[in-house]
Amino acid sequence: QKEVEQNSGPLSVPEGAIASLNCTYSDRGSQSFFWYRQYSGKSPELIMSIYSNGDKEDGRFTAQLNKASQYVSLLIRDSQPSDSATYLCAVNGNYGQNFVFGPGTRLSVLP
Amino acid sequence: DAGVTQSPTHLIKTRGQQVTLRCSPKSGHDTVSWYQQALGQGPQFIFQYYEEEERQRGNFPDRFSGHQFPNYSSELNVNALLLGDSALYLCASSQTGTVYEQYFGPGTRLTVT
Repeated sequence: QKEVEQNSGPLSVPEGAIASLNCTYSDRGSQSFFWYRQYSGKSPELIMSIYSNGDKEDGRFTAQLNKASQYVSLLIRDSQPSDSATYLCAVNGNYGQNFVFGPGTRLSVLP
Repeated sequence: DAGVTQSPTHLIKTRGQQVTLRCSPKSGHDTVSWYQQALGQGPQFIFQYYEEEERQRGNFPDRFSGHQFPNYSSELNVNALLLGDSALYLCASSQTGTVYEQYFGPGTRLTVT
């Protein structure tokens, strides 16, 4: 049974701070890793994908992957109140099949 | 560029009834996956369709079935509805190949009374 775990949250950070979201996964064969943002009552929105070890930056977002430790993280720099949402980590194996999602971490950015 | 669309937006059904949810994938995508998301939880994978066939299935009973049409759109059918089937049903589309990013539609909120 593939499992994906995330910080239980909620995570509260002040505006302008760095928010750090963590995710671990159980299946060593996992190939692709994704972060989704989900506002309350809305569907998940893809914000980052990462496929190889190391860091990947996109604007204020940085995804970090360490396959040896089976760990993926998302850093949000200069956090804004509009970043307040639930962040979902998703992992899949070969051929894009069977995404497994974590339970999500709720982030609250305080003005 | 049209994104993933789903219909209906909301649905209220009674226990024991049957329901059909519909999804049209993002332009250029050929693969559709369905997820169930209960309140406060992450999406749970139901199944994935590619080339009009079910390619993979999650841990859901046979009451959940689906179909993919030649234009890549898809349906999710749920028979003999239970109260526990109340959830947000999400459709995600992707393009089979080297990049497996999935994009979600707005979802269908199903309430079973």
